[in-house]
Amino acid sequence: GQQLNQSPQSMFIQEGEDVSMNCTSSSIFNTWLWYKQDPGEGPVLLIALYKAGELTSNGRLTAQFGITRKDSFLNISASIPSDVGIYFCAGQTVQGAQKLVFGQGTRLTINP
Amino acid sequence: EAGVAQSPRYKIIEKRQSVAFWCNPISGHATLYWYQQILGQGPKLLIQFQNNGVVDDSQLPKDRFSAERLKGVDSTLKIQPAKLEDSAVYLCASSLFIGQVSYNEQFFGPGTRLTVL
Repeated sequence: GQQLNQSPQSMFIQEGEDVSMNCTSSSIFNTWLWYKQDPGEGPVLLIALYKAGELTSNGRLTAQFGITRKDSFLNISASIPSDVGIYFCAGQTVQGAQKLVFGQGTRLTINP
Repeated sequence: EAGVAQSPRYKIIEKRQSVAFWCNPISGHATLYWYQQILGQGPKLLIQFQNNGVVDDSQLPKDRFSAERLKGVDSTLKIQPAKLEDSAVYLCASSLFIGQVSYNEQFFGPGTRLTVL
């Protein structure tokens, strides 16, 4: 089945630093979504991307849908303590029931 | 707007026992999903409903897992009998369905953490 390779698996940064993470796949996706999950909670949608090349911002977060439709990245600027959590990319397949496939997650830890 | 509701939040059972989880989606969301999230991994889709019909259950272990959404609103997921490897968080999500399109923006509940001893 389709697989998403998300990197890095974990990040340890200082408060105020910028963060970048990405997702790649060997398959084409027609939608990319980025979620954040806090401990004991379900994933919360951050940004949705629907068009190749699309660049979308949500506050300090910026995400892009790669031109090849096989990758996406998420940037967080000027990180703050509440950015701590696990970030997941998810891609929707082109064919079939159009289910979401999730990456393995990037765990972000911030040192104050 | 109320979010996706799930219960119970936690469940501990012994292997070979049965367990059931309940989900109530966001009002008006016709598409409902059940995911399994094993520790350290991303969610994996188990089953997708469109109203009360199954759209995709290709990754549901049908010998022990079952799910229903009889009235097209809330849903239950059952495991019978449970195995040790079923220990995971079970997430329910819902999304809008308008015309022929099930919208990709899925909204998740808090999940049920299952521990099988």
